[in-house]
Amino acid sequence: EDQVTQSPEALRLQEGESSSLNCSYTVSGLRGLFWYRQDPGKGPEFLFTLYSAGEEKEKERLKATLTKKESFLHITAPKPEDSATYLCAVQLSGGYQKVTFGTGTKLQVIP
Amino acid sequence: SQTIHQWPATLVQPVGSPLSLECTVEGTSNPNLYWYRQAAGRGLQLLFYSVGIGQISSEVPQNLSASRPQDRQFILSSKKLLLSDSGFYLCAWSVSAKANYGYTFGSGTRLTVV
Repeated sequence: EDQVTQSPEALRLQEGESSSLNCSYTVSGLRGLFWYRQDPGKGPEFLFTLYSAGEEKEKERLKATLTKKESFLHITAPKPEDSATYLCAVQLSGGYQKVTFGTGTKLQVIP
Repeated sequence: SQTIHQWPATLVQPVGSPLSLECTVEGTSNPNLYWYRQAAGRGLQLLFYSVGIGQISSEVPQNLSASRPQDRQFILSSKKLLLSDSGFYLCAWSVSAKANYGYTFGSGTRLTVV
């Protein structure tokens, strides 16, 4: 069964304290891996798409990396406005472009 | 630019009442459309997707149905709501046959069934 697991469930950081969020997946035929940011009461906001092992994408203080089994979202020197839930999702190759989401990591950055 | 509208933002409905949530997309044609539900502490669960007018696929058997009467309109319905239908409902769209850019989500509807 295709699975996406995110860890930790929640993470509390001091402002400026860098860390990483993990997304591990067990799927057959990965077409792409997505990272989203979701603020409370809002819809998820697209951040990155990664396609192949070794690929990296950056946006401001965020950097996403991909291996054959997992993806990391590195947060460098976070600020309070980075507080949100970060969702990982995988898309399978072939046929309908089904996307399976993980349960997310809730990040809180303390000033 | 493309935008997605979803309403209402919040809804409180009694058990057994009907439901209709609407989603419209602007600035694109022939999008793939999706309805997701997000329950507390759980991931986004795909309920329905549509690749064209009148074409609806259901991912999970449930008390809900979906329709796509126009190219950029997607409607989620129920004839009789259950308590278990409570949750955060999200509509999303992607470029047809090319979800590489990810989905664009609406702002969501918080449904509470009482």
